[in-house]
Amino acid sequence: DAGVTQSPTHLIKTRGQQVTLRCSPKSGHDTVSWYQQALGQGPQFIFQYYEEEERQRGNFPDRFSGHQFPNYSSELNVNALLLGDSALYLCASSASTSGGADTQYFGPGTRLTVL
Amino acid sequence: AQSVTQLGSHVSVSEGALVLLRCNYSSSVPPYLFWYVQYPNQGLQLLLKYTSAATLVKGINGFEAEFKKSETSFHLTKPSAHMSDAAEYFCAVSSRGNNRLAFGKGNQVVVIP
Repeated sequence: DAGVTQSPTHLIKTRGQQVTLRCSPKSGHDTVSWYQQALGQGPQFIFQYYEEEERQRGNFPDRFSGHQFPNYSSELNVNALLLGDSALYLCASSASTSGGADTQYFGPGTRLTVL
Repeated sequence: AQSVTQLGSHVSVSEGALVLLRCNYSSSVPPYLFWYVQYPNQGLQLLLKYTSAATLVKGINGFEAEFKKSETSFHLTKPSAHMSDAAEYFCAVSSRGNNRLAFGKGNQVVVIP
């Protein structure tokens, strides 16, 4: 079992650019959540996808958008990058079984640096 | 809204000594509580979780946590610290029907030989 995988590992962009991050969930999982972890902070929930629809969203602007594909993999897109978007972006997958008690399995993250 | 509070960003513990990391939660509904560990340049790994069954939860690597509703706490302990326990530890909360996790700011654990 490959677990949750994310690509790329690292990314450097400049202000105003757009970025796409990718995530493949753990085998058997149908729900993907995205988190932003700024340096020295805990992860913050961005949004969650289930059945190719955004099911929940945290307090992030519309510049952050996502997509889930039929194979359950997911993308996170960020437009008009700001310096403050520099962070580790974590993808987590889970099986939608016990609503709330599901264990979320995290990938290694994508380190985004905005210059 | 659910939230957790972790006090003391850095915790130093001697090898072989007790590890105690404190977590207090705020939730308007019965919570689910989690402890995750993050090693440098890695994602988060689940240590243990509380889902309203036994209040004393045992996890991996010798860690355990006790849910105390009266104190709104879910503190993490390990009787004897090992060098490999040096990492960052996060407490998180979610609730029934809503599995978005709300994390604390984390505790960076340093183990002193």
